[in-house]
Amino acid sequence: DAGVIQSPRHEVTEMGQEVTLRCKPISGHNSLFWYRQTMMRGLELLIYFNNNVPIDDSGMPEDRFSAKMPNASFSTLKIQPSEPRDSAVYFCASSSGLAGPYEQYFGPGTRLTVT
Amino acid sequence: GENVEQHPSTLSVQEGDSAVIKCTYSDSASNYFPWYKQELGKGPQLIIDIRSNVGEKKDQRIAVTLNKTAKHFSLHITETQPEDSAVYFCAASKGTGFQKLVFGTGTRLLVSP
Repeated sequence: DAGVIQSPRHEVTEMGQEVTLRCKPISGHNSLFWYRQTMMRGLELLIYFNNNVPIDDSGMPEDRFSAKMPNASFSTLKIQPSEPRDSAVYFCASSSGLAGPYEQYFGPGTRLTVT
Repeated sequence: GENVEQHPSTLSVQEGDSAVIKCTYSDSASNYFPWYKQELGKGPQLIIDIRSNVGEKKDQRIAVTLNKTAKHFSLHITETQPEDSAVYFCAASKGTGFQKLVFGTGTRLLVSP
């Protein structure tokens, strides 16, 4: 049974370039979360989707960040233009419900390095 | 908003000893408290959770306790094994709808054989 799938696992890019991170949630899950993990700030929620609709994007740091979920099985997080301070591990997580707390299943993450 | 503090930041124990990690939260409306384990190069994985209507929950060698009055909750691991070595995160959320998790800063647990 496949878990949350993220690609790429590692991304190295130069400052100013566009970066696109991809996520495939667990089949049947209707909630999707994007997190960022750094040593300084820990795990931060960036944006949350429910039934493909963005519900809370208050954690998105700047307009350079955007996220989409065109269908129930795919989501992207885009950074344009990228900056060195965007270097972090980005996690996608999915869960099966909105009503009440449900376990969030995390993907393996994408380690982004911006030089 | 909610603030979750976690202690200690690192914890070293000998195999077979017990380990305790403590978290405090600020929002008295929080009602769901999961604990996640993150191994090197992997995403966090839920290991146990507790809701505010329960004071303690156990699952084999792992237990979580909740003190709503003091607004703190703890993870207890008994008979630790080397494979318990990882970073552990506590989190808190509130409400019955969107469960936005606020995470603690993590505890790196090292279990020495």
